[in-house]
Amino acid sequence: DSGVTQTPKHLITATGQRVTLRCSPRSGDLSVYWYQQSLDQGLQFLIQYYNGEERAKGNILERFSAQQFPDLHSELNLSSLELGDSALYFCASSRGQGSGYTFGSGTRLTVV
Amino acid sequence: AQSVSQHNHHVILSEAASLELGCNYSYGGTVNLFWYVQYPGQHLQLLLKYFSGDPLVKGIKGFEAEFIKSKFSFNLRKPSVQWSDTAEYFCAVTPPGGGGNKLTFGTGTQLKVEL
Repeated sequence: DSGVTQTPKHLITATGQRVTLRCSPRSGDLSVYWYQQSLDQGLQFLIQYYNGEERAKGNILERFSAQQFPDLHSELNLSSLELGDSALYFCASSRGQGSGYTFGSGTRLTVV
Repeated sequence: AQSVSQHNHHVILSEAASLELGCNYSYGGTVNLFWYVQYPGQHLQLLLKYFSGDPLVKGIKGFEAEFIKSKFSFNLRKPSVQWSDTAEYFCAVTPPGGGGNKLTFGTGTQLKVEL
């Protein structure tokens, strides 16, 4: 157990639907990062939150959004899902600049 | 474009063979460097990291990496691999400048160790 909790572990949904992925960071970590891992794109950075505020944005589609709540957990919302959104979505947390990352076990999303 | 390159996509070794996985980055300036491992079906785990100081970094499970600034490289090494080292290995960099300390990953190297 890395200390970063992601739910659900697996999600199967249909095209056009909307899903929410949840991440609870390791205790004391203020930063949360979302990554998408797919066979053709590899590990792609999506978005970072620090203490409730968006800090950096990567290759995140407009159909995707995220937020970090006062208790520091984060949610990644994926809408109007397409087959190509099928991937493993990882959340990571860190304490700040210069510290390492701790990754969660990921949510495997399958869009059918 | 700024990037992280892992040139070996698939590596197959016999147990006890030596391992070296290449990693090159194209960012200028000060960077932080990481190697992560992903065992089948599991999350990414940190093997080692380099922020500053001794360019030879020792990590967990007998892995080490050497930062060569002039070559923009951070190659991962292990003198003698085990079957349990079968996994995917990712090099990652936190680029200089703004944007927090988000990691940019290489495409990964799939290592298979045969008995």
